Amino acid sequence: DIRMTQSPASLSASLGETVNIECLASEDIYSDLAWYQQKPGKSPQLLIYNANSLQNGVPSRFSGSGSGTQYSLKINSLQSEDVATYFCQQYNNYPPTFGSGTKLEIK
Amino acid sequence: QVQLKESGPGLVQPSQTLSLTCTVSGFSLTSYNVHWVRQPTGKGLEWMGVIWTGGSTDYNSALKSRLSISRDTSKSQVFLKMNSLQTEDIATYYCARDWEGSSLDYWGQGVMVTVSS
Repeated sequence: DIRMTQSPASLSASLGETVNIECLASEDIYSDLAWYQQKPGKSPQLLIYNANSLQNGVPSRFSGSGSGTQYSLKINSLQSEDVATYFCQQYNNYPPTFGSGTKLEIK
Repeated sequence: QVQLKESGPGLVQPSQTLSLTCTVSGFSLTSYNVHWVRQPTGKGLEWMGVIWTGGSTDYNSALKSRLSISRDTSKSQVFLKMNSLQTEDIATYYCARDWEGSSLDYWGQGVMVTVSS
């Protein structure tokens, strides 16, 4: 199975700041990567698919980038509603596997 | 609009079988694959399995011997059955729709399952 190493595990940032979350795959996943946002007590919501495609309805302050084994999620102009846990997922190889999550808080 | 909703018992006795139903609306099971994903409280996400549009299935090898996914397209329902439940299976169970190669664009609200006598 492909291992997804996500960092950092937790992150505290100020409103209006830019934050980056990283995911490292144990092998090349050819941009078959998604990012999800999960707010407490809620289901995950798809933010980004195919590494850099913004899902419909997701604010443009979210963006994804990367290739090969290294990927990142960038959140510009951090808002209070962005407090959540973020997960990456690879789907290049079955079984799909997820990163361990990054808990984002407001400083 | 697209919706998925899980249903089933929240409490299962140890060694018994978990049976969950995912009822979908707004799309056809013959056009979209449906996955099951679970999440122990406060922990990460584990992919369990998928039923493809043609009705075939794939499972996480760690669960394969205990897990079965099926569907009834006429009722727009996907079923999960997992036997020999133990405390390690305590989690919230989600069904989700496949999007663009197995990202997951719509998720159900989840059903929390506890294993206890």
